[in-house]
Parts: sequence; C-alpha cells; structure tokens
Amino acid sequence: AQSVSQHNHHVILSEAASLELGCNYSYGGTVNLFWYVQYPGQHLQLLLKYFSGDPLVKGIKGFEAEFIKSKFSFNLRKPSVQWSDTAEYFCAVIPFSGGYNKLIFGAGTRLAVHP
Amino acid sequence: DAGVIQSPRHEVTEMGQEVTLRCKPISGHDYLFWYRQTMMRGLELLIYFNNNVPIDDSGMPEDRFSAKMPNASFSTLKIQPSEPRDSAVYFCASSLAAGELFFGEGSRLTVL
Repeated sequence: AQSVSQHNHHVILSEAASLELGCNYSYGGTVNLFWYVQYPGQHLQLLLKYFSGDPLVKGIKGFEAEFIKSKFSFNLRKPSVQWSDTAEYFCAVIPFSGGYNKLIFGAGTRLAVHP
Repeated sequence: DAGVIQSPRHEVTEMGQEVTLRCKPISGHDYLFWYRQTMMRGLELLIYFNNNVPIDDSGMPEDRFSAKMPNASFSTLKIQPSEPRDSAVYFCASSLAAGELFFGEGSRLTVL
C-alpha cells in the first residue's frame, strides 16, 4: 500500500539551529508532494508544494524542500529556526495511478524550538 | 475568498447524543474531505466527495458516522449516537482536482 513515512516524531531545537525533517514515500510513479504546517491550536496550512520542474522548492517563512526521485524523498529544511516555527509538520503525497488519488499524509513531526 | 468554513468550532455533548458538523467548501472546488485528528491516531481521512458524490468512505469508523453533500457548497458529518471515543478535532478540507487541500479551522468535539 502507498504510504508516507516521517521518521522523526519529535524534534527539539534551539533558536538559530538548522532544521531538516525527513519524508519518504512508497510509490514508484508520478507524485505531487506537499508539506503542511499546523501551529498550536490551528488548522493545517500549506508550507510548500512540488508538482514538477526544479526539485528544490521554496516555501513560505524561509522553508525549502528537495525532491529526490531516486530516494523517494521530499525532506523539509530551514537554515535557522525561530521560536515561532514551533508546530507540527506533515508531509503529504498524491500518487497518480489513473483517476483521482487521495492525498496521503505522514504521521507528522512535532517541532519544539526553544529560545 | 472566505476559505473553508466549519461550524460549530466547539461542541460539547453527552454520550448518546447526535452530533452534526457542517462545512462550506471554497467556491469552485470540486473535492471535499473530512478528516479526524487525535493525539493517538493523528490525522485520519474519513471520507471524501467529488462533485458531491462520495468516492471513498473506507475511513469512516463505523455505522454511527455518516456524511452527506447535498450540494456543491455544503456538507455535513453526523455522529449518532456519539461516544466519548469520538472526541477529536474534525477538519473539513476542499481542493480543485489534485491540487493542494485548503483546510477549515476545525470543529473540536468533546463527548462526555
């Protein structure tokens, strides 16, 4: 079955530290890829997305993600985190196999940034 | 655009009562999704619609749950009878084809 794996469930960083959150998916065909962020008590919001083209995608708030097809990965990065980045981050994939295929979410990674 | 609108934002009810959650998707979007989020199980897709037709309801936990989409601008998720284990945040989301999902603010349900 198609799945999305986020290997880190909880990450704790100090402000100004660099961030990388891993995301791997299990599907060999064409995919659309997303990272969503959920701030405490809020709904999910789109951080960035990849459909095609340059595999290095820039998102909001200084986040970026790189699609590496050979590794089935779409890792999220930020060079210097801030306290306001404390949130839960979800990787999501739409695998295309004819017709509409639903968005598959990873389990999420809770990031806590300490001042 | 006002975004995806959900009501109520908070609902506290007693076990056995009927609960109805409502959602208005973004105008023009042809897909609507209902998700449930809990600490234990994370984000779960319950059901989704395309052009008001239910496509996949395999995530609906049991017969106590039902969802309808009578028109393109309105959907309901009903739980009857409700149980304490149904306590969760229920999110509605809409999208255009295979694009990004836009989520509502969620309905936080507490069943006592």
